[in-house]
Amino acid sequence: GAVVSQHPSRVICKSGTSVKIECRSLDFQATTMFWYRQFPKKSLMLMATSNEGSKATYEQGVEKDKFLINHASLTLSTLTVTSAHPEDSSFYICSANTPGQGFSDTQYFGPGTRLTVL
Amino acid sequence: GNSVTQMEGPVTLSEEAFLTINCTYTATGYPSLFWYVQYPGEGLQLLLKATKADDKGSNKGFEATYRKETTSFHLEKGSVQVSDSAVYFCALTPNQAGTALIFGKGTTLSVSS
Repeated sequence: GAVVSQHPSRVICKSGTSVKIECRSLDFQATTMFWYRQFPKKSLMLMATSNEGSKATYEQGVEKDKFLINHASLTLSTLTVTSAHPEDSSFYICSANTPGQGFSDTQYFGPGTRLTVL
Repeated sequence: GNSVTQMEGPVTLSEEAFLTINCTYTATGYPSLFWYVQYPGEGLQLLLKATKADDKGSNKGFEATYRKETTSFHLEKGSVQVSDSAVYFCALTPNQAGTALIFGKGTTLSVSS
């Protein structure tokens, strides 16, 4: 089946620094990727929808200047947490759709990235 | 709007017990419904799905039936194992191209031997 990878799997950074998380579709091209945030014991919150070659669409309440998303190719989307603060500590998960399917049941999830901001 | 409501956890069972995790949804149109599982330290995996009313999704002994009349998609398993311990998420998609999944809050299942 389709595989989505994320890098890094864990990152610890100091407050005020920026962190980049990569999401790659390894064996398929993904025109749409999604970024989620998962809080402890809570569900996944959709942050933004990333479309290849265009600007990301952010959900209400998500700061687009803080969470920069770039989808430069059909196999790579990046999420950059700028000027990270301890409240940004969370588990970030990406998912990717296979093109031409139309429905989200072809979404494949990455293993997630645990961000800890000190 | 679209939303998913799951029963609160944690659910604690002994091995070989019967499992039910309730899930109800609110949606416009005709959504597809899913159960995802997240094992400790791992990413989300699709467990099963149903794309229309009365469909039954099944996998690894788990089943769920798409009930439009009660807007439900309850997850069941006749005999749980310790290895089933995980967080289970009910989700839907409104079946529009390029739309993300809408998740419930997740239910933690803990099975002891």
